[in-house]
Amino acid sequence: DAKTTQPTSMDCAEGRAANLPCNHSTISGNEYVYWYRQIHSQGPQYIIHGLKNNETNEMASLIITEDRKSSTLILPHATLRDTAVYYCIVRSASGSARQLTFGSGTQLTVLP
Amino acid sequence: NAGVMQNPRHLVRRRGQEARLRCSPMKGHSHVYWYRQLPEEGLKFMVYLQKENIIDESGMPKERFSAEFPKEGPSILRIQQVVRGDSAAYFCASSPPYARDRDYEQYFGPGTRLTVT
Repeated sequence: DAKTTQPTSMDCAEGRAANLPCNHSTISGNEYVYWYRQIHSQGPQYIIHGLKNNETNEMASLIITEDRKSSTLILPHATLRDTAVYYCIVRSASGSARQLTFGSGTQLTVLP
Repeated sequence: NAGVMQNPRHLVRRRGQEARLRCSPMKGHSHVYWYRQLPEEGLKFMVYLQKENIIDESGMPKERFSAEFPKEGPSILRIQQVVRGDSAAYFCASSPPYARDRDYEQYFGPGTRLTVT
């Protein structure tokens, strides 16, 4: 599975868009990009995933570059409750192993 | 639609006792995963189960730890003869039946915090 690189921490003002980058320059053609977050002490929460097209759901948007070497998770109107560690995970859909491998993630702090 | 349920939420055991952690997956989900999060560390995969089958236990410690997901009832993670180093948050996740790109769309429970005294 491709390795991902994320900034250690980011701040965002409440009500503004939070843009969280992820670099996955070694991603291969059948690997998907998944985003999860973990609010302090809670179980991780699935946010969104994509292959090559941009995706949007009620929580966030995922923008994947055309060469697929990087992606950005966008929380359009960040609230204080979005303060969490955000994980970008790349996994192959054809792999037999189904466990998620969580790296260090990005600590997003939404400031009032 | 109830989410993944775990109980107990907090468990205190003395060294040498057994700990049993239970996980009920979301309705319609047939795949269960257990992860462990040690204090100030990231989540680590332990085991992946389907009903009555262990599919991947590559993350399970070789001794004292076992897991099952019976035909009826919740999945159980069992830790025998607990030691202080077992103190951690244990999270269970479930996912729907195979759907290619949704393999890694996992839904996590609130976790069980195990404290070994």
